[in-house]
Amino acid sequence: TQLLEQSPQFLSIQEGENLTVYCNSSSVFSSLQWYRQEPGEGPVLLVTVVTGGEVKKLKRLTFQFGDARKDSSLHITAAQPGDTGLYLCAGGAGANNLFFGTGTRLTVIP
Amino acid sequence: GAGVSQSPSNKVTEKGKDVELRCDPISGHTALYWYRQSLGQGLEFLIYFQGNSAPDKSGLPSDRFSAERTGGSVSTLTIQRTQQEDSAVYLCASSLNRGHGELFFGEGSRLTVL
Repeated sequence: TQLLEQSPQFLSIQEGENLTVYCNSSSVFSSLQWYRQEPGEGPVLLVTVVTGGEVKKLKRLTFQFGDARKDSSLHITAAQPGDTGLYLCAGGAGANNLFFGTGTRLTVIP
Repeated sequence: GAGVSQSPSNKVTEKGKDVELRCDPISGHTALYWYRQSLGQGLEFLIYFQGNSAPDKSGLPSDRFSAERTGGSVSTLTIQRTQQEDSAVYLCASSLNRGHGELFFGEGSRLTVL
């Protein structure tokens, strides 16, 4: 099993603040995905990164894949209450299955 | 519907009973995954089907757990002699093909073992 550790596990911030969530592993991944999950629903894909050092921006969200393809970060600028949810990273290696991280539960307080 | 469909959405059972959870993936998706999620935490991998290849069962926690996928479409996860620690949300996802494309998840089946 390839373990992906996310930090922090819980994060509660005020609307308008910035935050960064980390996803770390000792394993190398060919691709890394970030998902967001809301209560009672399945996770929904936010982004996929495949190249070491890659940076992708999705409106106020910035995703980075580490140079060694073992870690990733998600930065949210000016957080909004609608950003509240469980953020999950997921790593894939070759054609094998996809392993999910331990999750970061974000609460943005209006 | 166009999405991944799971049933039942909620299942309450008594310890020792067998349960079956069903997943109907998106039509044409060759990859199908089962995950388990406890208390809103991360997803624990259970089993992965890819086309006609032998499934990757490495995540199944015990021999009480089994899964099959008939005709490359619908999948059933079976838990025999359920235990209280089996209580969780069981999520199914499908993907168009191998290589870690986007996973589309169902809403999950919440299992409670009394």
